[in-house]
Amino acid sequence: DTGVSQDPRHKITKRGQNVTFRCDPISEHNRLYWYRQTLGQGPEFLTYFQNEAQLEKSRLLSDRFSAERPKGSFSTLEIQRTEQGDSAMYLCASSVTKSGFTGELFFGEGSRLTVL
Amino acid sequence: KQEVTQIPAALSVPEGENLVLNCSFTDSAIYNLQWFRQDPGKGLTSLLLIQSSQREQTSGRLNASLDKSSGRSTLYIAASQPGDSATYLCAVTYGGATNKLIFGTGTLLAVQP
Repeated sequence: DTGVSQDPRHKITKRGQNVTFRCDPISEHNRLYWYRQTLGQGPEFLTYFQNEAQLEKSRLLSDRFSAERPKGSFSTLEIQRTEQGDSAMYLCASSVTKSGFTGELFFGEGSRLTVL
Repeated sequence: KQEVTQIPAALSVPEGENLVLNCSFTDSAIYNLQWFRQDPGKGLTSLLLIQSSQREQTSGRLNASLDKSSGRSTLYIAASQPGDSATYLCAVTYGGATNKLIFGTGTLLAVQP
């Protein structure tokens, strides 16, 4: 399978715990994005990387959230001191950017977080 | 505020019918527009990407059009099948090649056999 993969697919945690999600993009895709989707809504942008550089963060990404892409390949999204409002599907996507042209986004299956 | 709206929110059609899903956006200065399909509890599958310089894209039974001046896109599905049942999401990118998508809330399509 050469698509975007996310792990874990489901995570149930208690309020106050820390959780970490991992995303492996399509090989050679230099851009990686994180989105959050709540029930009945479209996904909302959180942050994106070009190679290992984090180029933009949404105001939705509070200081409890941190994302990294240390070697320009896989990425992690960590949520510290989880709150019930963090319950959502966390989606990762990747794309290729060359010479100012950005191709379509390919999404993974998502990581569903439930905070009790 | 840059917003994307999809109408209708839900649609039910009999198998074999042709249908149109609508997407509108408030700012015409888009970079590109993508249509996605999402099955329940799953991620998004890209269907069609239209660059701002294009008017339409086709893939199999799907045809997407783009009218920047009116801020509208449509997704036409020909000869619908029960397997087409899913949520269809429209998303636009503004202001350059960041590919930071702004999504609509989707249209939930049910194709009845």
